Amino acid sequence: KAGVTQTPRYLIKTRGQQVTLSCSPISGHRSVSWYQQTPGQGLQFLFEYFSETQRNKGNFPGRFSGRQFSNSRSEMNVSTLELGDSALYLCASSPSSGTYGYTFGSGTRLTVV
Amino acid sequence: GENVEQHPSTLSVQEGDSAVIKCTYSDSASNYFPWYKQELGKRPQLIIDIRSNVGEKKDQRIAVTLNKTAKHFSLHITETQPEDSAVYFCAASYDFGNEKLTFGTGTRLTIIP
Repeated sequence: KAGVTQTPRYLIKTRGQQVTLSCSPISGHRSVSWYQQTPGQGLQFLFEYFSETQRNKGNFPGRFSGRQFSNSRSEMNVSTLELGDSALYLCASSPSSGTYGYTFGSGTRLTVV
Repeated sequence: GENVEQHPSTLSVQEGDSAVIKCTYSDSASNYFPWYKQELGKRPQLIIDIRSNVGEKKDQRIAVTLNKTAKHFSLHITETQPEDSAVYFCAASYDFGNEKLTFGTGTRLTIIP
């Protein structure tokens, strides 16, 4: 069974640009959540999608957005990138709504220069 | 919202000895407490979890205990081995209503051969 797939693995962007990250959940999993991991702030919740609906959102500015498609794949977008957005972005999928049974992907390492 | 504190931030133990990592949470409604292990450059992996209706759970050399009254839970690793070296994160969530994990700040565990 394939795990959670995140693309790309690494990304370098310039301040002010925008970026789109992709997450393909485990087959059959309907919930996708996104987290930002930084050395200073640790793992912070961004948002959760279930059946194409955003069910929960963390305390991040509106520059951070996402969506989920009918096949449960999810994308996350960050507009007007700032240096502080440099982080490892992790997505996690679970079979149903909720945090039980979370499986994380390997993440996308975003560097903003 | 939920706040999870984790101690210690670093821990070194001799191979074969036991390691204990402690976490406290603030929201008495939290009912799910997973532990994740993250090796350098890899994704967080769930190693054990416990629900609030259970006081203790064990899986081979790993055990987790939960004290709902005091709002704290602990990870116990016995007979430590070099491959146990990693960063360990505790987390808490209230499933069935607030499906996001609030993570502790992590413990870097080093096993000394």
